[in-house]
Amino acid sequence: DIVLTQSPALAVSLGQRATISCRASESVRSSMHWYQQKSGQQPKLLIYGASNLASGVPARFSGSGSGTDFTFTIDPVEADDIATYYCQQSRNDPYTFGAGTKLELK
Amino acid sequence: EVQLVESGGGLVQPGRSLKLSCAASGFTFSNYYMAWVRQAPKKGLEWVATISTSGSRTYYPDSVKGRFTISRDNAKSSLYLQMNSLKSEDTATYYCARQGQLARDWFAYWGQGTLVTVSS
Repeated sequence: DIVLTQSPALAVSLGQRATISCRASESVRSSMHWYQQKSGQQPKLLIYGASNLASGVPARFSGSGSGTDFTFTIDPVEADDIATYYCQQSRNDPYTFGAGTKLELK
Repeated sequence: EVQLVESGGGLVQPGRSLKLSCAASGFTFSNYYMAWVRQAPKKGLEWVATISTSGSRTYYPDSVKGRFTISRDNAKSSLYLQMNSLKSEDTATYYCARQGQLARDWFAYWGQGTLVTVSS
């Protein structure tokens, strides 16, 4: 199975840039997607295909990368962005998720 | 507006069975791959099953293969997950999710989830 590694947590200040990384144990080409999950809610798709913004998602969110190294960016961070962010690969079965990065306020 | 509403969760004893349902609306259900994704309490996300648009193809990870069966009724815009031989590690919130029309790459929309607790 492809393992996706994310940092457990990231502390940022409002108005600053937040950068979350996701490293795959083998190449997933551009088959990487990002989700936001707020406390007590279902996940929400933000980025698909490594860099494509999902419908209705603000342009403050962006994604980049290919192969094994991917980056998800929020710029600038707003209070409503406090959540856990997950990466997910669809290159190989079984589809796998990272363990999530909890975005916290400094 | 896409809506996915899960039902059927609850408390079940180890070794028993449970069937989850998901009612879909706001889109042409028969045109999309559909999936179940679960999340154990305070844990991350785990893909559980996917079914093709017609229902002819299904996909599972090894953790549930042979125990869980995904199915769909396009006439009723409904998705199902039959879970047999349940284990304590199957305790989780189960989300119904819509995937793509031609591929099953990402999970574009999610329901609110239904909690399954496996315990004696």
